[in-house]
Amino acid sequence: LAKTTQPISMDSYEGQEVNITCSHNNIATNDYITWYQQFPSQGPRFIIQGYKTKVTNEVASLFIPADRKSSTLSLPRVSLSDTAVYYCLVGDRGSARQLTFGSGTQLTVLP
Amino acid sequence: EPEVTQTPSHQVTQMGQEVILRCVPISNHLYFYWYRQILGQKVEFLVSFYNNEISEKSEIFDDQFSVERPDGSNFTLKIRSTKLEDSAMYFCASFPSGGYNEQFFGPGTRLTVL
Repeated sequence: LAKTTQPISMDSYEGQEVNITCSHNNIATNDYITWYQQFPSQGPRFIIQGYKTKVTNEVASLFIPADRKSSTLSLPRVSLSDTAVYYCLVGDRGSARQLTFGSGTQLTVLP
Repeated sequence: EPEVTQTPSHQVTQMGQEVILRCVPISNHLYFYWYRQILGQKVEFLVSFYNNEISEKSEIFDDQFSVERPDGSNFTLKIRSTKLEDSAMYFCASFPSGGYNEQFFGPGTRLTVL
């Protein structure tokens, strides 16, 4: 499994765009990059997944450079309710194997 | 929108007692998982279950743990003789066949062992 590294914590203010970068130097050819969000005392929730270039959904954008050794989750115009832990995971798409969570990035949105 | 449900939301037990944590996965999903998260720590994989048998299990999932799918809807985690260190949030998750790595997590059961 490719190891991922992301910042332990980040602070932002309401209305700002937040970018959380994850490095995964040993990503394999078949691996996809997936981000999950976890609020306190809740289960993780899927946010977005991508393989290369850019993916956008109603919640976030995911930017993946050509070498795929890193990825950036972008949250536009964050609000207080976006305060959560964000996890970057790397793995084979469509695999039913277990997810391996790292420590994640604690994002705190301030008023 | 379909969701994974778990009961109870909070379970308090005495050390050495048996507990059963219950989950109802999303109805057309085929793969089921239990994870746990000790307060302030990472989400850790315990076990995966497919076709009525364990697919994979972690080192945490020792002989005191067991899983069962007693009927077509429930998925349970039993801890036979609880220890203080079993105190954690336990999350059930499910995954559809042909899915794209998106596991759907339940809200969790907070287990407190006294």
